[in-house]
Amino acid sequence: DTGVSQDPRHKITKRGQNVTFRCDPISEHNRLYWYRQTLGQGPEFLTYFQNEAQLEKSRLLSDRFSAERPKGSFSTLEIQRTEQGDSAMYLCASSLPDMDAYGYTFGSGTRLTVV
Amino acid sequence: GQNIDQPTEMTATEGAIVQINCTYQTSGFNGLFWYQQHAGEAPTFLSYNVLDGLEEKGRFSSFLSRSKGYSYLLLKELQMKDSASYLCAVRYFSGAGSYQLTFGKGTKLSVIP
Repeated sequence: DTGVSQDPRHKITKRGQNVTFRCDPISEHNRLYWYRQTLGQGPEFLTYFQNEAQLEKSRLLSDRFSAERPKGSFSTLEIQRTEQGDSAMYLCASSLPDMDAYGYTFGSGTRLTVV
Repeated sequence: GQNIDQPTEMTATEGAIVQINCTYQTSGFNGLFWYQQHAGEAPTFLSYNVLDGLEEKGRFSSFLSRSKGYSYLLLKELQMKDSASYLCAVRYFSGAGSYQLTFGKGTKLSVIP
């Protein structure tokens, strides 16, 4: 297992376009998280899945954002009608239920630039 | 709500010791994590404290005082490669039936020769 994979690494899009990012977690991890990070800030929680169920969403997640994890394996994060304020690094992380010893494992992120 | 404070930037000399402090105000506290993040890369797990006291892991140690809402990360024998952002993160019971992790803004450490 090579860790958490995210695709693409970079995405440049025009304002108003839709974008979709993919995350492949560590295979035995049943928990998957999406975070957003802007320059000089820590990661901000967006949403969380346990298996295929989306259990929590941040108030930061407007109705233009939607996330899925259809078979409890990979996940997608879609942003519709992108805005310049959506420019950020989108990080995916996965963990086991008992995350004490290992914390979350993060992917390398998808850097989104909205022009 | 969750509130985490840590210094924005610190500078230290190669070979020295540096202490990065973190204070927090959290309801439903259930543990504190430290992550390292090099520029443009993903955060990587460094340490975890849930009970008061010091946890040592090689050159890195982390301390927690739950009554004071305070933690620090201690880096010894600093190396140039330790130049990175250090993120303090608090785990709390979110009330939606799960534990969540919220991050501070990070402390950018610059190690100079």
